[in-house]
Amino acid sequence: AQSVAQPEDQVNVAEGNPLTVKCTYSVSGNPYLFWYVQYPNRGLQFLLKYITGDNLVKGSYGFEAEFNKSQTSFHLKKPSALVSDSALYFCAVRDGLLTGGGNKLTFGTGTQLKVEL
Amino acid sequence: EAEVAQSPRYKITEKSQAVAFWCDPISGHATLYWYRQILGQGPELLVQFQDESVVDDSQLPKDRFSAERLKGVDSTLKIQPAELGDSAMYLCASSFGEETQYFGPGTRLLVL
Repeated sequence: AQSVAQPEDQVNVAEGNPLTVKCTYSVSGNPYLFWYVQYPNRGLQFLLKYITGDNLVKGSYGFEAEFNKSQTSFHLKKPSALVSDSALYFCAVRDGLLTGGGNKLTFGTGTQLKVEL
Repeated sequence: EAEVAQSPRYKITEKSQAVAFWCDPISGHATLYWYRQILGQGPELLVQFQDESVVDDSQLPKDRFSAERLKGVDSTLKIQPAELGDSAMYLCASSFGEETQYFGPGTRLLVL
């Protein structure tokens, strides 16, 4: 079975400071990893993904994430946080070796990011 | 930019009533997903379609939930009868192939 852990329910950071939102995963095969952001009463918005290749993935709005196979982690980062980054962030994983009915995306419980002035 | 469309955005119903949600995926996306997101949790897959065929409905409570995608394009998720515990956000997503899923704005359901 595959799973995702987001150990922090909330992350607080001052505007202009770097931010990190943590994610660790467990999957049997090759991990396909994703980050999504959700604003209040809205759907999930895709930020970035790791499928293969370079361990540092760059995505939308200045976000990036680093895939670390040995630590089974995929932490989301941004060099300089903005107040408008305040939202709920979800990490998700699926097994890249499975297709069709076994191709389920498993989400973490989410991390609320609060960026303050 | 193409988006997944969902309606209604909000729905209030009484328990034991029937409700239905509609989703129109991004054009050309053969794979369509319905998720349920309970407040404070991540989305959980209810059903996955490949074109008009169901490929995963293992987490769909089939005694009260049904989903269809008759022509392989738009889809409807129905709950009958609704229960208090069904109050949640219902999200539709679509993908081209099996990589990135793109989500619609969701339907927030409140069962009284």
